[in-house]
Amino acid sequence: AQKVTQAQTEISVVEKEDVTLDCVYETRDTTYYLFWYKQPPSGELVFLIRRNSFDEQNEISGRYSWNFQKSTSSFNFTITASQVVDSAVYFCALSDSGTASKLTFGTGTRLQVTL
Amino acid sequence: ETGVTQTPRHLVMGMTNKKSLKCEQHLGHNAMYWYKQSAKKPLELMFVYSLEERVENNSVPSRFSPECPNSSHLFLHLHTLQPEDSALYLCASSQDGYNEQFFGPGTRLTVL
Repeated sequence: AQKVTQAQTEISVVEKEDVTLDCVYETRDTTYYLFWYKQPPSGELVFLIRRNSFDEQNEISGRYSWNFQKSTSSFNFTITASQVVDSAVYFCALSDSGTASKLTFGTGTRLQVTL
Repeated sequence: ETGVTQTPRHLVMGMTNKKSLKCEQHLGHNAMYWYKQSAKKPLELMFVYSLEERVENNSVPSRFSPECPNSSHLFLHLHTLQPEDSALYLCASSQDGYNEQFFGPGTRLTVL
């Protein structure tokens, strides 16, 4: 069975601090996909990144970066120089490679960025 | 309209009512999904439709009845709900199983 663990329930930082959100996953599949989504107070989940199991290159997109480590089954997300607009709940998710993917979500990490 | 839209955005219903949630995707995707998001619980996948065929039903009570008349529209028919069914119901779509899912804004359902 697939499982995603986000051990950090809530994180509070002051603006401009860097913050890392942890994600650990479990799967028996050799081909799988990892995702991060952001859920602002408005409720809509916003897609941030997809990574497949064969691509362990880290990725940077502006202030966002992701560290995929297959050896530790982790896919951590770092926000550099956090801003108030980054305040949201962040979800890590895992899917298999089926015709219609079944996303298994973690419980989410609520990030609060204050001035 | 772009992306994934859901109506209504908010719904309050009694336990004996019948209502329907509507989802429409304007992305040309082949798969559509219903999720339930309750407070302090992970998002729960309810149903998956691929090319208008239901391919997943995660032990959802029969008081929830999905319908996918075409690849762009997905409905969730509700009847005889319980107060514990109060939650945010999210619809999503994806091109196929290899791609990311795009979510609608959700319907906030309250069952009295």
